[in-house]
Amino acid sequence: EAQVTQNPRYLITVTGKKLTVTCSQNMNHEYMSWYRQDPGLGLRQIYYSMNVEVTDKGDVPEGYKVSRKEKRNFPLILESPSPNQTSLYFCASSSQSPSSYNEQFFGPGTRLTVL
Amino acid sequence: GNSVTQMEGPVTLSEEAFLTINCTYTATGYPSLFWYVQYPGEGLQLLLKATKADDKGSNKGFEATYRKETTSFHLEKGSVQVSDSAVYFCALIVRTGNQFYFGTGTSLTVIP
Repeated sequence: EAQVTQNPRYLITVTGKKLTVTCSQNMNHEYMSWYRQDPGLGLRQIYYSMNVEVTDKGDVPEGYKVSRKEKRNFPLILESPSPNQTSLYFCASSSQSPSSYNEQFFGPGTRLTVL
Repeated sequence: GNSVTQMEGPVTLSEEAFLTINCTYTATGYPSLFWYVQYPGEGLQLLLKATKADDKGSNKGFEATYRKETTSFHLEKGSVQVSDSAVYFCALIVRTGNQFYFGTGTSLTVIP
């Protein structure tokens, strides 16, 4: 089954404790992206990757890191989480660039709470 | 810059009512436009899309027409069902860019 998986689905942590949210897709997609969803703000793009070893900042990259060492994986790293990073996070992937108007497939989301 | 503005929710309708969710955009280039739907507890799914002016995207009884003159992409459905209850997001990407821009989402609840 074609899918984007994220782990963990739920995470409660404390300020300053490094964490990683994993994202994996099995569709051989070149493009992968991370979003955060907050009430009243919709979805905002954090980082995206056009292909292996190619990443770029979205609208809200501060406090986040990403890496793309393999095509299928695109982990989101919070080196020193803070309470304002409490949010619902989504990973998404699509074939080629979204400029090719291809559909983005979204993961089920990770709800992160930073105390 | 690039941005998407959606009508504020929540929207509550009775079954079989007509639905319109407004979406307008600003874009520095020529955008492609999308509607995504998010059912409770799930990720987003593409509902429909349009890539050039006057295109009409349609799926599952929903329609939206790309209106360049009014920079709009309003979502419509003639007769909603309880199963249409979800959050709907309008989004765009410009052809020369690689970033998606989403609206704030509109929550729809359909009551029997």
